[in-house]
Amino acid sequence: QSALTQPPSASGSPGQSVTISCTGTSSDVVYYKYVSWYQQHPGKAPKLMIYEVSKRPSGVPDRFSGSKSGNTASLTVSGLQAEDEADYYCSSYAGSNNYVFGPGTKVTVL
Amino acid sequence: QVTLKESGPALVKPTQTLTLTCTFSGFSLSTSGMRAGWIRQPPGKALEWLARIDWDDDKFYSTSLKTRLTISKDTSKNQVVLTMTNMDPVDTATYYCARMDPSGTYFDYWGQGTLVTVSS
Repeated sequence: QSALTQPPSASGSPGQSVTISCTGTSSDVVYYKYVSWYQQHPGKAPKLMIYEVSKRPSGVPDRFSGSKSGNTASLTVSGLQAEDEADYYCSSYAGSNNYVFGPGTKVTVL
Repeated sequence: QVTLKESGPALVKPTQTLTLTCTFSGFSLSTSGMRAGWIRQPPGKALEWLARIDWDDDKFYSTSLKTRLTISKDTSKNQVVLTMTNMDPVDTATYYCARMDPSGTYFDYWGQGTLVTVSS
């Protein structure tokens, strides 16, 4: 059982937006502003897309955005493109040098 | 350019000890603030953080696996090594090595992962 909860799948047509939720607890998502999101294409290494809830690393398109409210963090992909089809994982710092992950959400571009 | 690559046995028997090596480039674990860690993913399941080692040799472990894990580094070889004792079939997973941001709150570069199967 994962420490964070994500929907197993999400989908959208090219150009549309899709939002993935990541639900945690008072020990992680609620308490810390250290939620990160990772994109993983099949057979590839995970890639950091969002850190500290809403910050984008250099090179990540601004179509990717993150937010948090209460115990739920969200990743929104706007203007969906074919290459956005991948698995997305959320993670949160959980204090005492511990880290928790979600089970992943498969995003399909219809 | 930061790259990481995991290596180790693809198959281990139950009760054996697993040793995985992460060889990296593009950064040094002797540089203040640098950190690296290991994460695993059983087939079809969630990612699970295992361990972290810092530039000053501080080490941190998953609470649930702490007694079985040892992480170490060889800065001259740009390597991080993870050992896990008493392997069980439930430890079958893809094991990833990742660099951590100096804040120690997220993983900014990941390796491709290595699949380890535990079976007799």
